[in-house]
Amino acid sequence: SQTIHQWPATLVQPVGSPLSLECTVEGTSNPNLYWYRQAAGRGLQLLFYSVGIGQISSEVPQNLSASRPQDRQFILSSKKLLLSDSGFYLCAWSVGQGYSPLHFGNGTRLTVT
Amino acid sequence: TQLLEQSPQFLSIQEGENLTVYCNSSSVFSSLQWYRQEPGEGPVLLVTVVTGGEVKKLKRLTFQFGDARKDSSLHITAAQPGDTGLYLCAGADRGSTLGRLYFGRGTQLTVWP
Repeated sequence: SQTIHQWPATLVQPVGSPLSLECTVEGTSNPNLYWYRQAAGRGLQLLFYSVGIGQISSEVPQNLSASRPQDRQFILSSKKLLLSDSGFYLCAWSVGQGYSPLHFGNGTRLTVT
Repeated sequence: TQLLEQSPQFLSIQEGENLTVYCNSSSVFSSLQWYRQEPGEGPVLLVTVVTGGEVKKLKRLTFQFGDARKDSSLHITAAQPGDTGLYLCAGADRGSTLGRLYFGRGTQLTVWP
């Protein structure tokens, strides 16, 4: 069966510090991978998605970046965090196109102080 | 741009009551998905509706996709405390082969025993 691992679960970082969140998927090949952010009282905002190794599409211009060094590994990074980067970050995967559902990890609660 | 409007934003009811949550848009979607999210976890897919006018039932939950594929509703019969959670609708972009999903802000449901 397919599983998705996302870590860390919680993170408190000072403004200006770097960020690295990692997500790995097991049990499937060539998944579509996504990073979403969920702010309090809001729905999910798509940040990045990837359809293959080294292929990253950005939805929202900001000080975050994503990389996909391996087929089932997706990394969200920042060189310098802002207060506005606080939120709940969710990694997800899907396969194929069209109506494929998203399978989410358990998220990372990031607080920038 | 918030393409999907969910209402109500908050709903607090007693066990045994019925409720309906709405998801509306001016855009046409190729499909619509409903997810439920519990605190500290990622959303979990409940159902995908594809055909205009389609009705799907999942135990006490009934999902309907509008004839024009612009809106959807979720009806829960005899709600139970275990139904508590954030209900999110997500529409798939017709123009995207990836099936890019646009999420609503969600309806936070609390069912009291």
